[in-house]
Amino acid sequence: DAGVTQSPTHLIKTRGQHVTLRCSPISGHKSVSWYQQVLGQGPQFIFQYYEKEERGRGNFPDRFSARQFPNYSSELNVNALLLGDSALYLCASSLFARTGGAETQYFGPGTRLLVL
Amino acid sequence: KNEVEQSPQNLTAQEGEFITINCSYSVGISALHWLQQHPGGGIVSLFMLSSGKKKHGRLIATINIQEKHSSLHITASHPRDSAVYICAVRAQGGSEKLVFGKGTKLTVNP
Repeated sequence: DAGVTQSPTHLIKTRGQHVTLRCSPISGHKSVSWYQQVLGQGPQFIFQYYEKEERGRGNFPDRFSARQFPNYSSELNVNALLLGDSALYLCASSLFARTGGAETQYFGPGTRLLVL
Repeated sequence: KNEVEQSPQNLTAQEGEFITINCSYSVGISALHWLQQHPGGGIVSLFMLSSGKKKHGRLIATINIQEKHSSLHITASHPRDSAVYICAVRAQGGSEKLVFGKGTKLTVNP
């Protein structure tokens, strides 16, 4: 079975532009989370979606938005790009634990965004 | 102060050595993850644990909930173990949000 896939793998944008990153979860996984990893740092949580609804949001400005589609794939959109948005954007999928227990998250290879 | 602290930040070992990476956290958690990240970015989940100890091959992960501390051990280390090892915790409350440490960069020399 395919793992979590992300596209594109690399992207170069200029300041002020917008970008859309895509993620397809593992088949059967209904929860998708997005993380931003700046060089030399650990990933930071951006969003979590389950059944097309936002279930969690990290400390990111409103320029960041996301959505989840009926097939559980997800898009992360970033508007008015800043130089500081340059990072590796990671998507992770999991089976959502309705009981509140923990589920293993499976990470995609990431999209490396460079803002010039 | 970060909610998740790892030590050391960098670790260099000779092939065959026993390696320990430590993780301390300050919040109540429902689970703790150990992840491996190779150059290029891909992250692999090694362990998810909420109590006790888990073992997979040469890797062992332990957690002490009372002390809010976890360790990742690698026995008989090998150059292919060279990677960044990241500790991440899932806070209590039902959210899937993970809070990550900054990672420990491990280099194993032949």
